[in-house]
Amino acid sequence: KAGVTQTPRYLIKTRGQQVTLSCSPISGHRSVSWYQQTPGQGLQFLFEYFSETQRNKGNFPGRFSGRQFSNSRSEMNVSTLELGDSALYLCASGLQGYQEKLFFGSGTQLSVL
Amino acid sequence: GENVEQHPSTLSVQEGDSAVIKCTYSDSASNYFPWYKQELGKRPQLIIDIRSNVGEKKDQRIAVTLNKTAKHFSLHITETQPEDSAVYFCAASKMGYSTLTFGKGTMLLVSP
Repeated sequence: KAGVTQTPRYLIKTRGQQVTLSCSPISGHRSVSWYQQTPGQGLQFLFEYFSETQRNKGNFPGRFSGRQFSNSRSEMNVSTLELGDSALYLCASGLQGYQEKLFFGSGTQLSVL
Repeated sequence: GENVEQHPSTLSVQEGDSAVIKCTYSDSASNYFPWYKQELGKRPQLIIDIRSNVGEKKDQRIAVTLNKTAKHFSLHITETQPEDSAVYFCAASKMGYSTLTFGKGTMLLVSP
């Protein structure tokens, strides 16, 4: 069974640009969560999707958005990039998404210059 | 919202020693507590989890204990090995929520 796949692995953008990250969950998993990982703040929850619906959202500005498609693949978008958005963005998939083992992807390393 | 504090931020031990990492949480409604291990440059992986109806859980050299009254839980690793070197994250979530609130992580270094 293929694991969670995130693309691209690395991205370099400049301030003000926007970016779209992609996550393909494990086959059969319907929940996809997104986390931002930085050295200072650790792992912070962005949002979670289940069957194309956003169920929970973390404390991030509206510049961060996401969606999920009918095949459970998910994308997150960050508009008007700021220097502080530089981070590793991880997605995690699960069968239900609630209180179960989550499988993380390798992440997308975003650098904003 | 939930807040999870994790200590220590770094922990150095000799191979064969035990290691203990402690976390406290703020929301008494939290009832699920997983631990993830992240090796350098790799993705986080679940190593053990515990639910609030259980006080302790073991899996070979790893154990987790939970004190609901004090709102803290701990990871215990016995007979540490160099391959245990990694960053360990504790987390908490509550029933009906898919959100995991993570601690800031503990870098464990096991010297041969």
